[in-house]
Amino acid sequence: QSALTQPASVSGSPGQSISISCTGTSNDVGGYNFVSWYQQHPGKAPKLMIYAVSNRPSGVSNRFSGSKSGNTASLTISGLQAEDEADYYCSSYASSGTLVFGGGTKLTVL
Amino acid sequence: QVQLQESGPGLVKPSETLSLTCTVSGGSINSYYWTWIRQPPGEGLEWIGYIYYSGSTNYNPSLKSRITISVDTSKNQFSLNLRSVIAADTAVYFCARVEVGRYKWGFDPWGQGTLVTVSS
Repeated sequence: QSALTQPASVSGSPGQSISISCTGTSNDVGGYNFVSWYQQHPGKAPKLMIYAVSNRPSGVSNRFSGSKSGNTASLTISGLQAEDEADYYCSSYASSGTLVFGGGTKLTVL
Repeated sequence: QVQLQESGPGLVKPSETLSLTCTVSGGSINSYYWTWIRQPPGEGLEWIGYIYYSGSTNYNPSLKSRITISVDTSKNQFSLNLRSVIAADTAVYFCARVEVGRYKWGFDPWGQGTLVTVSS
């Protein structure tokens, strides 16, 4: 299985909105509504931000939202804040019951 | 709340076996899937494999020939063995719970991670 494709980096100014894409195939992202997004600050464990494409766990800010179209899922962060600066990873359930991550995207808040 | 803690050697010699254990506290290991994930220094996350509390497993095809994940429900622990390690296996290894029902295959919570270096 190949890693899902994410942009290496994105950036935005405080208050702006940004989106991060996650492209897979019909065997993973396109075939199942089981896409999750994780936020990872340096030296920390990842934190679940979005599950099942567009759902937020309790305690996650509503500035974070997710969507999917075809084989591409997206994470949108609105009202960017300095604390949002981190690495973001998507993951998806895949055929044969395996799981796969994206390569990760570094978000810089300018 | 449920907490996970990885433990094991921080240094493993090439060609030997990397062995890690994840201890689950604050909740039962039963009725859940549990997973191992690794992150080489400066790189992205890689899913290694998962195990159901009953013992059934599923592994990353790229690592399948070298890994075994096992569970000990009496100790509330699950373990990873990675055989014939090479320098490229150097990584921070995380354990996590796979929330199949609640989070639809999302990983939560995570352990803090443990760095394993492969070097002679």
